[in-house]
Amino acid sequence: DTEVTQTPKHLVMGMTNKKSLKCEQHMGHRAMYWYKQKAKKPPELMFVYSYEKLSINESVPSRFSPECPNSSLLNLHLHALQPEDSALYLCASSQDRGGGRTNQETQYFGPGTRLLVL
Amino acid sequence: DQQVKQNSPSLSVQEGRISILNCDYTNSMFDYFLWYKKYPAEGPTFLISISSIKDKNEDGRFTVFLNKSAKHLSLHIVPSQPGDSAVYFCAASPMDSNYQLIWGAGTKLIIKP
Repeated sequence: DTEVTQTPKHLVMGMTNKKSLKCEQHMGHRAMYWYKQKAKKPPELMFVYSYEKLSINESVPSRFSPECPNSSLLNLHLHALQPEDSALYLCASSQDRGGGRTNQETQYFGPGTRLLVL
Repeated sequence: DQQVKQNSPSLSVQEGRISILNCDYTNSMFDYFLWYKKYPAEGPTFLISISSIKDKNEDGRFTVFLNKSAKHLSLHIVPSQPGDSAVYFCAASPMDSNYQLIWGAGTKLIIKP
């Protein structure tokens, strides 16, 4: 089973709203990722959690706030977004055997949340 | 500086024939390569990977070839099926980086009936 689930599937929000994206995996993976993908572009890495600790933040604006409540769950809290933040937000996970090196591990992606900011 | 390049934005192949998607890279520190398939408005689906210590990996209809001296890899799909129509991304993992994947721009594969 290589399933990563994401909710909601679609989200429309105004620039003053606060919303959250949710991601879940039950593969026992210890690394979880948030990516942003614009149309006809490859995914762009935003955040990485390793063993529930934030490991990478790719200089993402503070209006995006990640949270990893436990090893299976990953949230992305959104506040005061801009229209240019409209995109497909992808969650991924990988095994992360520890030691800070992924040892050629595969990332498995969820279906994404299509976000539109008005 | 594009470290992973997929020079063909699109490729059209007849159903039943072989599809060959190409990817070139510049960084000799990459030690793991992956191919993902993506349908519109969906997340990428992992297809197949290859370690830099190998030159070929096969999984069903999908075979990935790695030529390290040329810094080139290719994905072969045979026989091609209509459901293979999608965008294919090549991605590379640097040996000195935690969790990073460097992505190509993608190639849109169209399988004609």
